[in-house]
Amino acid sequence: EAGVAQSPRYKIIEKRQSVAFWCNPISGHATLYWYQQILGQGPKLLIQFQNNGVVDDSQLPKDRFSAERLKGVDSTLKIQPAKLEDSAVYLCASSLQQGPYEQYFGPGTRLTVT
Amino acid sequence: DAKTTQPPSMDCAEGRAANLPCNHSTISGNEYVYWYRQIHSQGPQYIIHGLKNNETNEMASLIITEDRKSSTLILPHATLRDTAVYYCIVRAQNAGNMLTFGGGTRLMVKP
Repeated sequence: EAGVAQSPRYKIIEKRQSVAFWCNPISGHATLYWYQQILGQGPKLLIQFQNNGVVDDSQLPKDRFSAERLKGVDSTLKIQPAKLEDSAVYLCASSLQQGPYEQYFGPGTRLTVT
Repeated sequence: DAKTTQPPSMDCAEGRAANLPCNHSTISGNEYVYWYRQIHSQGPQYIIHGLKNNETNEMASLIITEDRKSSTLILPHATLRDTAVYYCIVRAQNAGNMLTFGGGTRLMVKP
């Protein structure tokens, strides 16, 4: 089966610009996650969707980050305006449902803010 | 979720068994132990998980101590492609599906 797809793979922007990342989960997976991974650290969950509803966005910096999953399939994560500390890899993952199901991760988008 | 403690790095000779330890002394009764790994420039990959009993699959074996305060992930015949960061995660089954990643162990498999 096809894995989790993400685009773009790399993005370089200047601070205060905006950027958007796209994720297409594995077909049939109801749960979708966005993680932020800063260099040298483990991934940190930003937001979790169940179908098109938000389950947990407690660690999402809502003043500048937003995410949506309008039709319960693809998702976009947006940063506006970007700061230098947003430089990181943004990982999308999906799982069949909430609960004890393994998460499948995409390759990530590497964002560099200059 | 309970916190985990892992050594920051380990080396292993190619073809030998790699034994990666994880301490989770504050684990509670309903928390599972999960292992993921992340190869350079890729997203994390699920390896195995368990509650009380030892588990084995095509990738690895998971040994959990009787008191459940620590566990060991075993890669029976490590290859160069097993070089990666290995994350041990403890997660309750009723905590949604959130994974809280720590720093992990960077395993270097050497020829």
